[in-house]
Amino acid sequence: KQEVTQIPAALSVPEGENLVLNCSFTDSAIYNLQWFRQDPGKGLTSLLLIQSSQREQTSGRLNASLDKSSGRSTLYIAASQPGDSATYLCAWISSNTGKLIFGQGTTLQVKP
Amino acid sequence: GAVVSQHPSRVICKSGTSVKIECRSLDFQATTMFWYRQFPKQSLMLMATSNEGSKATYEQGVEKDKFLINHASLTLSTLTVTSAHPEDSSFYICSAPPTSGSSYEQYFGPGTRLTVT
Repeated sequence: KQEVTQIPAALSVPEGENLVLNCSFTDSAIYNLQWFRQDPGKGLTSLLLIQSSQREQTSGRLNASLDKSSGRSTLYIAASQPGDSATYLCAWISSNTGKLIFGQGTTLQVKP
Repeated sequence: GAVVSQHPSRVICKSGTSVKIECRSLDFQATTMFWYRQFPKQSLMLMATSNEGSKATYEQGVEKDKFLINHASLTLSTLTVTSAHPEDSSFYICSAPPTSGSSYEQYFGPGTRLTVT
């Protein structure tokens, strides 16, 4: 059974810091990986999708990498801002079924 | 990007009643849609896979008779919570990958917050 783990569960940093969120998974079957942002009481905002043939994706201050050999993905946020405060979820996507298995999320607080 | 809508966004109902939640893909067709549930301060858990024109596939531990799913067209899936109880209060979110394309990128609806009193 696929398990997705995110570390840390919570993170508080001062504005301007660079930070790394970690995601690991147990099943190495063919998959894609997607990072999301969720604001309190809201739905999901897709940040980055890494397909199985890719190693990383970048969007603005965000960079997500994927290491298939170790079953890990990281989300790097550069020059963090208070507006980045949210819960970040990674999801493993089965290439066969399209099902997503989510991690528990990392709740980020960026202090001004 | 593709848009998925959900209706209603928020619903309060009395215990014992049934509630229907709609999930629509607005600008693409989706033969498959997924329903997730999120309890407070927890992550999203997949409930079921909704397949257009056929029966839904439920995850282990999800009662199919309680959570009725109907995927009547390529753009609409409905989730009906039957005989709702307070423990069914949760945030329900649907997602859909476009039928065309192979990226399996998921597009999520904005969610429906159900409160059962």
